[in-house]
Amino acid sequence: AQKVTQAQTEISVVEKEDVTLDCVYETRDTTYYLFWYKQPPSGELVFLIRRNSFDEQNEISGRYSWNFQKSTSSFNFTITASQVVDSAVYFCALSATTSGTYKYIFGTGTRLKVLA
Amino acid sequence: SQTIHQWPATLVQPVGSPLSLECTVEGTSNPNLYWYRQAAGRGLQLLFYSVGIGQISSEVPQNLSASRPQDRQFILSSKKLLLSDSGFYLCAWAFSGTGGYSNQPQHFGDGTRLSIL
Repeated sequence: AQKVTQAQTEISVVEKEDVTLDCVYETRDTTYYLFWYKQPPSGELVFLIRRNSFDEQNEISGRYSWNFQKSTSSFNFTITASQVVDSAVYFCALSATTSGTYKYIFGTGTRLKVLA
Repeated sequence: SQTIHQWPATLVQPVGSPLSLECTVEGTSNPNLYWYRQAAGRGLQLLFYSVGIGQISSEVPQNLSASRPQDRQFILSSKKLLLSDSGFYLCAWAFSGTGGYSNQPQHFGDGTRLSIL
């Protein structure tokens, strides 16, 4: 069975601090995809990144970076020098095949509060 | 580029009244379409998905139904709303994949906040 765990329900940091959001996944499939989404207070989910299971290279996009480690089944998200605008709920998601059909599963989300 | 429109943004309905939420996508053909519900402070629950016109799959038994009368139109309905139907409803699309789910990112509408009185 596929599962995504975001153990951190809520995190508060002071502006300019670095923060890491954890995501642990479970799947028996060898081909799968991992995603991060941001949900600002306005409500819509915004796609941030997709990684496939064969690409363990870490990725950096501005202040955002992602650390994918298959050995620990983790796909963690780090925000460097956090800003108030980073305050949002962040969701990790997994898309993995089940008998040839990709199943899309979201974690329960981590609420990040960045304080000025 | 592709865009997704969802309306209304907010809705207040009495218990027992009908519901119709609409979602349309522009700029792509034959997308996969999804309806999610998010209870206050909670994660996303997939309600329905569709791989084509008239093709609807339900993920959980409930008081709601979905229809896809046109390629890029997805409608969420109820004949009689319950208090438990309150929540934030999100429509999403993705490029098509195998069996309705996809390894592609999903792109979400702005959502509808539904309050049942």
